[in-house]
Amino acid sequence: DAGVIQSPRHEVTEMGQEVTLRCKPISGHDYLFWYRQTMMRGLELLIYFNNNVPIDDSGMPEDRFSAKMPNASFSTLKIQPSEPRDSAVYFCASSPGQGLGETQYFGPGTRLLVL
Amino acid sequence: LAKTTQPISMDSYEGQEVNITCSHNNIATNDYITWYQQFPSQGPRFIIQGYKTKVTNEVASLFIPADRKSSTLSLPRVSLSDTAVYYCLVGDRMIKAAGNKLTFGGGTRVLVKP
Repeated sequence: DAGVIQSPRHEVTEMGQEVTLRCKPISGHDYLFWYRQTMMRGLELLIYFNNNVPIDDSGMPEDRFSAKMPNASFSTLKIQPSEPRDSAVYFCASSPGQGLGETQYFGPGTRLLVL
Repeated sequence: LAKTTQPISMDSYEGQEVNITCSHNNIATNDYITWYQQFPSQGPRFIIQGYKTKVTNEVASLFIPADRKSSTLSLPRVSLSDTAVYYCLVGDRMIKAAGNKLTFGGGTRVLVKP
């Protein structure tokens, strides 16, 4: 398996533009997680899905952020409109289980810069 | 999720043992202690998890005293490739029960020198 795949790896955009980040989880994993990492706040869980259904999205910072998982092999995280403070590395991870003890497999991340 | 405190950074040399201590004074009864490793430009990678006493796997050992208010990740005989950031995470094994703000914190930056 190729592991968790994220695209794009890097994204530079201007304030106000829509940004869509994509993730393909490991086949057979029932859980998918979206994280954001910044120097100030560390690694934060934004939202996670179980069997394509959003379970907890209270980590999403505000209404400008939305995430979908239309099928078991694909998820998107959208920011509309984007702001400079959204600049961060966004990680997608998948896991066969939901516990902290269950190994989460992280993707390489998408480095987002909003100018 | 219990607050954790780790040293910001540590330096070591190849072949030495590295011990990183994480303080978690407010750990709850159902909380587990999990450690992740993150290399530059990569996502975190699960290393080890424990509840009490000692846990060992092929990568590291985790020592947890009886009061569970701290834990120590031990990396035996480190190599240059062990240079990374190490995160201590304390919480319920069920993410949903742990609360919404699952935060890894700043971690400990370990630099292994030749």
